[in-house]
Amino acid sequence: GQQVMQIPQYQHVQEGEDFTTYCNSSTTLSNIQWYKQRPGGHPVFLIQLVKSGEVKKQKRLTFQFGEAKKNSSLHITATQTTDVGTYFCAVAGGTSYGKLTFGQGTILTVHP
Amino acid sequence: DAGVIQSPRHEVTEMGQEVTLRCKPISGHNSLFWYRQTMMRGLELLIYFNNNVPIDDSGMPEDRFSAKMPNASFSTLKIQPSEPRDSAVYFCASSLGEQFFGPGTRLTVL
Repeated sequence: GQQVMQIPQYQHVQEGEDFTTYCNSSTTLSNIQWYKQRPGGHPVFLIQLVKSGEVKKQKRLTFQFGEAKKNSSLHITATQTTDVGTYFCAVAGGTSYGKLTFGQGTILTVHP
Repeated sequence: DAGVIQSPRHEVTEMGQEVTLRCKPISGHNSLFWYRQTMMRGLELLIYFNNNVPIDDSGMPEDRFSAKMPNASFSTLKIQPSEPRDSAVYFCASSLGEQFFGPGTRLTVL
């Protein structure tokens, strides 16, 4: 099945600093999704990227899909304490049933 | 819509006991997924259903684990007998594209 590597595993930043997490695959992806899980919570869907080179923004969050559709990134500008949590990328599992393979996640800590 | 509903939210049991986790997916979603999350192993897909039919149970760790989906609005994950290493948060998710996760069941096996 699809495998995706996500880095870094942990990221500690001061409030106001930027943050980026990356997902990489050895194979071409049909699409990639991003999820956020707050501490003690459950994963929540953020966005889906489908097109080569696609860039989408949600307020301070910028999502990119690589030109070769083998990598993606999530960038947060000027982090806030509300950004803490684990960010996961997820890729389609090669079936039409909506199966996803999740990356290992990046745990973001924001120090006030 | 109330979202994906899971029960119980917390379960503490003793080794050897049977544990049943329950999930009600979002109405109209035709795929349902069971995940297990631990610090060591991250988020693992255990089994998923499409239109109530199990599609892939290769993630189920052992025969002690079983899952059913008798109808479109209900699924169970059963562990019998439970062991301390089964302690984890178990999530159910339903999907039409992106996945909507339930709040999870935090299972502790003593």
